[in-house]
Amino acid sequence: AQTVTQSQPEMSVQEAETVTLSCTYDTSESDYYLFWYKQPPSRQMILVIRQEAYKQQNATENRFSVNFQKAAKSFSLKISDSQLGDAAMYFCAYSAVDSSYKLIFGSGTRLLVRP
Amino acid sequence: KAGVTQTPRYLIKTRGQQVTLSCSPISGHRSVSWYQQTPGQGLQFLFEYFSETQRNKGNFPGRFSGRQFSNSRSEMNVSTLELGDSALYLCASKRTANTDTQYFGPGTRLTVL
Repeated sequence: AQTVTQSQPEMSVQEAETVTLSCTYDTSESDYYLFWYKQPPSRQMILVIRQEAYKQQNATENRFSVNFQKAAKSFSLKISDSQLGDAAMYFCAYSAVDSSYKLIFGSGTRLLVRP
Repeated sequence: KAGVTQTPRYLIKTRGQQVTLSCSPISGHRSVSWYQQTPGQGLQFLFEYFSETQRNKGNFPGRFSGRQFSNSRSEMNVSTLELGDSALYLCASKRTANTDTQYFGPGTRLTVL
């Protein structure tokens, strides 16, 4: 069975600094997708970034980028120039064709941003 | 384009009752999935509907059921509520069954007393 592990329950970053959130996953599939979702206090789950496993190039969305290491099954999220609005729970998620793309989530990392 | 909407946003029920939650997907999206979020179990997949058919089901008891209508709106029903059913129920939509990216609604917070 596929699993997603986020080993950092909480992280803290100074405003304007850079922070990296870690995620590892386990799968025997070769065709899958990885996501980072952000859940602010409003509880609305917001898609931050998406990575296709067959693409070696790391995905980037403005201040958010990933470091995708397929062989190591690692998928970390880097947030540059952190802003107060980045404070939220961040969930790493996995989906695969064989499971009809249902999302398997990690346990989440709470990101605190210090002003 | 409007996002995924869920109603009601908050609900309080007592044990033994049943509840129905509603989800309207993004316009043009035909697949709807439901997830349960609790502090203890985290985010867990309940089921997915596409073209009014259940395509995938998570590991939940039969008290949890759902359906999808011809306009892609979906409802989720929980019968004989238990205290442990208290959770945030999230609905997510995507364009087709074979699309990978899902977009979430704001959730329905269910409290069972």
